Amino acid sequence: GENVEQHPSTLSVQEGDSAVIKCTYSDSASNYFPWYKQELGKRPQLIIDIRSNVGEKKDQRIAVTLNKTAKHFSLHITETQPEDSAVYFCAAPPDGYALNFGKGTSLLVTP
Amino acid sequence: DAGVTQSPTHLIKTRGQQVTLRCSPKSGHDTVSWYQQALGQGPQFIFQYYEEEERQRGNFPDRFSGHQFPNYSSELNVNALLLGDSALYLCASSLLARYEQYFGPGTRLTVT
Repeated sequence: GENVEQHPSTLSVQEGDSAVIKCTYSDSASNYFPWYKQELGKRPQLIIDIRSNVGEKKDQRIAVTLNKTAKHFSLHITETQPEDSAVYFCAAPPDGYALNFGKGTSLLVTP
Repeated sequence: DAGVTQSPTHLIKTRGQQVTLRCSPKSGHDTVSWYQQALGQGPQFIFQYYEEEERQRGNFPDRFSGHQFPNYSSELNVNALLLGDSALYLCASSLLARYEQYFGPGTRLTVT
């Protein structure tokens, strides 16, 4: 099955700086890679996703890049703001349409 | 447009008891997946339902079972509760054959 590894587990940045979170996956057949943001006590929210036929996707301050050869994908957040503080999860489908999640990255943006 | 809803919000059960959790998918969605999220961990896939049948299952014992109703809502049942079943149980809805999943607020289950 799909194994998703995520790092770092914690990340602290100053407001206005960029943050990068990386994930690696094991199954080369995986073709969908979402990122979820989970604030304390709230539901995971889908913030951006990418499919295997695309190398990069942007949505305002967030972007996801995919390297299929190396089997890794990354979340980039630019001009970070305190409200970006949350736990971020990457995921990949092991088979079918289920999702295997990474263990999460706790991002803290300090003013 | 109603999002994914779950009930109850919190639940406290005793070891050995049984529990039923409920989920209503986002309007227009026909597929429901259930995940278990232990404290400090990512969600773990339990199973997925479409057309009232279990389509896919993760690595969870038979104590975990589910059901989907004709209106696409779903239930998760857990029998013979263990202390280790304490977690946030998340329901996610999607469209058949689509990867994008949208989560409900979850049910926090505590087993004492």
